[in-house]
Amino acid sequence: DAGVIQSPRHEVTEMGQEVTLRCKPISGHDYLFWYRQTMMRGLELLIYFNNNVPIDDSGMPEDRFSAKMPNASFSTLKIQPSEPRDSAVYFCASSWTSGDPRDTQYFGPGTRLTVL
Amino acid sequence: AQSVTQLDSHVSVSEGTPVLLRCNYSSSYSPSLFWYVQHPNKGLQLLLKYTSAATLVKGINGFEAEFKKSETSFHLTKPSAHMSDAAEYFCVVSDPSNTDKLIFGTGTRLQVFP
Repeated sequence: DAGVIQSPRHEVTEMGQEVTLRCKPISGHDYLFWYRQTMMRGLELLIYFNNNVPIDDSGMPEDRFSAKMPNASFSTLKIQPSEPRDSAVYFCASSWTSGDPRDTQYFGPGTRLTVL
Repeated sequence: AQSVTQLDSHVSVSEGTPVLLRCNYSSSYSPSLFWYVQHPNKGLQLLLKYTSAATLVKGINGFEAEFKKSETSFHLTKPSAHMSDAAEYFCVVSDPSNTDKLIFGTGTRLQVFP
């Protein structure tokens, strides 16, 4: 298995631009999580999905952030408009309810976002 | 509410010496506890997990952790550090009675000197 795939690995953009981060979970996993990691705040859960349905988006910082999961193999996290304080590493993770305990999450390599 | 506290932000050891990374948890229920490791510019990888079975949990790369309910601790240890162990380590708790969320500690950066 290729593991969780994220793209792009690095993104540099200017303030005000739209940014879209992409994630492909491990095949067969039915949970998908988006996290943000910064030096100041550590690792924060932004939103998670179960069977493509958003379950908890209480960690999404504000309306500029949105996430979708149109099918079981793809999710996006969009920031519009982006601001310098959004600069962080964004991780996607997935897990599954059968087999492994579902609270074992498998992380992608992350997308390092820099907003100038 | 559940939480974890990692008592050291940085730990430095010499190669071949023991490693101890400390973690205390707070949970209203019997928790699931994890240690994840993050190497530079990489995603997080599960080291080991405790789920109310054996209190001494063995993980990958020679790491192990002991769940001590009386001390609300879940410290991570390794008898002999290797240079490749240098990374950031996160103690994590989940509460199945609440959500599927993982609550991450602030991390401990382990440095290993030759």
